[in-house]
Amino acid sequence: DGGITQSPKYLFRKEGQNVTLSCEQNLNHDAMYWYRQDPGQGLRLIYYSQIVNDFQKGDIAEGYSVSREKKESFPLTVTSAQKNPTAFYLCATRGLASYNSPLHFGNGTRLTVT
Amino acid sequence: DQQVKQNSPSLSVQEGRISILNCDYTNSMFDYFLWYKKYPAEGPTFLISISSIKDKNEDGRFTVFLNKSAKHLSLHIVPSQPGDSAVYFCAASARGTGTASKLTFGTGTRLQVTL
Repeated sequence: DGGITQSPKYLFRKEGQNVTLSCEQNLNHDAMYWYRQDPGQGLRLIYYSQIVNDFQKGDIAEGYSVSREKKESFPLTVTSAQKNPTAFYLCATRGLASYNSPLHFGNGTRLTVT
Repeated sequence: DQQVKQNSPSLSVQEGRISILNCDYTNSMFDYFLWYKKYPAEGPTFLISISSIKDKNEDGRFTVFLNKSAKHLSLHIVPSQPGDSAVYFCAASARGTGTASKLTFGTGTRLQVTL
């Protein structure tokens, strides 16, 4: 069954701890993205990667890190430097890393940091 | 600086009637526009898109209209159904900006279709 898997669906952490969110895809898509959604706000781009071993910062990369060692995987680490980490995190992929094709999204991970 | 704006946070429409969701943008480099639908605790689902070389694109009950001079697009849903109740996001991207694959989203409009 092809798709994008984000795990876990809900994640709870104590302030000051780093946490890694998983995103795996079997769509054979080259480009992968991490977005964050907060109440009343749109989706904001954190990081994206168009090919393996390469990634670029999005609009709100501070306090986050990523890696792209395999085509199928694009994990996001939320570090203790991220001031407001509690949010809904969405991973997306794109078949053609060009501007005129849609992103496909996973079902998200809700991270709560207390 | 919000480059893609959805000024109506919510909209309520009766079943069977037309739903019109609006979106404005400020970046004149945007030339590809998309609409996504999102249910709570799920990822957004792609609905329909339009390139700047067109002013209309239709797919079943969904039609997107683009007015480039006004930097405005709209999504029409006819007829509206209760299952259409969700949050709708407008998004845009630009060619040749160095981050060509980046998609910029609006803040969303919550559509409620009532019986």
